[in-house]
Amino acid sequence: QVQLVESGGGLVRPGRSLRLSCAGSGFDMKNYAIHWVRQAPGKGLEWVALIWYDGSRQYYADSVKGRFSISRDNSRNFVYLQMSRLGPDDTALYYCARDAGSPIVYYFDYWGQGALVTVSS
Amino acid sequence: QAVLTQPPSVSGAPGQTVTISCTGSGSNIGANYDVAWYQHLPGAAPKLIIHGNINRPSDIPDRFSGSRSGASASLAITDLQADDEADYYCQSYDLTLNAVVFGGGTKLT
Repeated sequence: QVQLVESGGGLVRPGRSLRLSCAGSGFDMKNYAIHWVRQAPGKGLEWVALIWYDGSRQYYADSVKGRFSISRDNSRNFVYLQMSRLGPDDTALYYCARDAGSPIVYYFDYWGQGALVTVSS
Repeated sequence: QAVLTQPPSVSGAPGQTVTISCTGSGSNIGANYDVAWYQHLPGAAPKLIIHGNINRPSDIPDRFSGSRSGASASLAITDLQADDEADYYCQSYDLTLNAVVFGGGTKLT
């Protein structure tokens, strides 16, 4: 069955960096775009970033543009989210989610369980 | 501030029908970008319940239905059950922002 598993979350001080990983299994990850979506405590869902199936295109929410970078390694079925210059507003549960289409349809048919990132001194 | 506007909460009794609205603009829903809906239970991953405005994944009961008109969309849930208590989010794509956009979420009690 299709599975997405996030890892790499944790407590980080403001201004520091952190890298999240998303491992895909049960499907051919190289055929699908992957998104990152986050949910801050007590808030709604917020789209963060997207990478096309072949890694050729990346898009970001304005709130993270210039600080976050999404990449992928299709040989290992991983997608990464490199987060830098983190601030308290980046505290959230970060989900990776599979785009439902090929090449892309901009909605998500499978989600991981999330990785918690807490930015605090 | 979410790009798509949803009511913060709706409520209904078992067996009743509720409708959740999602209002966008001419750069997202009104630009003919499709709407998806997700059910989000506490401690669980969001679950896709409607895509392409009206389509249900095969494992979603037909008590859930979606519609779209102009720059707005709606999710209807009939024959409400206790298990339906959750947060519901609409989602689309915004041409001006060049980004995926969500509604602020609606808590169904």
